[in-house]
Amino acid sequence: QQQVKQSPQSLIVQKGGISIINCAYENTAFDYFPWYQQFPGKGPALLIAIRPDVSEKKEGRFTISFNKSAKQFSLHIMDSQPGDSATYFCAARPTNFGNEKLTFGTGTRLTIIP
Amino acid sequence: GAGVSQSPSNKVTEKGKDVELRCDPISGHTALYWYRQSLGQGLEFLIYFQGNSAPDKSGLPSDRFSAERTGGSVSTLTIQRTQQEDSAVYLCASSRRSPGELFFGEGSRLTVL
Repeated sequence: QQQVKQSPQSLIVQKGGISIINCAYENTAFDYFPWYQQFPGKGPALLIAIRPDVSEKKEGRFTISFNKSAKQFSLHIMDSQPGDSATYFCAARPTNFGNEKLTFGTGTRLTIIP
Repeated sequence: GAGVSQSPSNKVTEKGKDVELRCDPISGHTALYWYRQSLGQGLEFLIYFQGNSAPDKSGLPSDRFSAERTGGSVSTLTIQRTQQEDSAVYLCASSRRSPGELFFGEGSRLTVL
């Protein structure tokens, strides 16, 4: 049962371009939506996160856009750089206290080409 | 150590053998998670420990999988009678009680021949 759907599976963007990765969720009882970045041979690391009471959060070149009514959220990477090449996972956490496990999307392999 | 430590980093085993994977979380983190990462399958939740509470085992795929956490710190994931479909990277993560940032180890890559 996949509660978080992520697309695309892979993405190639030219250096300097905008990378966009989309996620949609089905369970309305989520209250926290992080994005994780994973480099080959490493574990995922938190990149940026948003709560549903805001529609957008920006940290440097990374922006999360959140559409609560559509149950969708997306990651935008502005001025994409070769060092951004990695696999990106969106995730969602349920609201019920004590149940803090994240449900992850299937990941997007991003490649930034010169 | 400063981060989550997992061992072994790589494990090759024969079908039917048992394997144990170890996770040493960040000191002071009360929550510990195991996830499985298979090619093209994302991160699959396996089990979650929080303090002294009963673990959430809802993600374990079969009764061949088990995990324990001793003294609220180190955790061991055990896979009995391994099958080829168990081949994956097993990731451990820890976090503080809240708000929920997970700190992952580098994973244990399991290959079942």
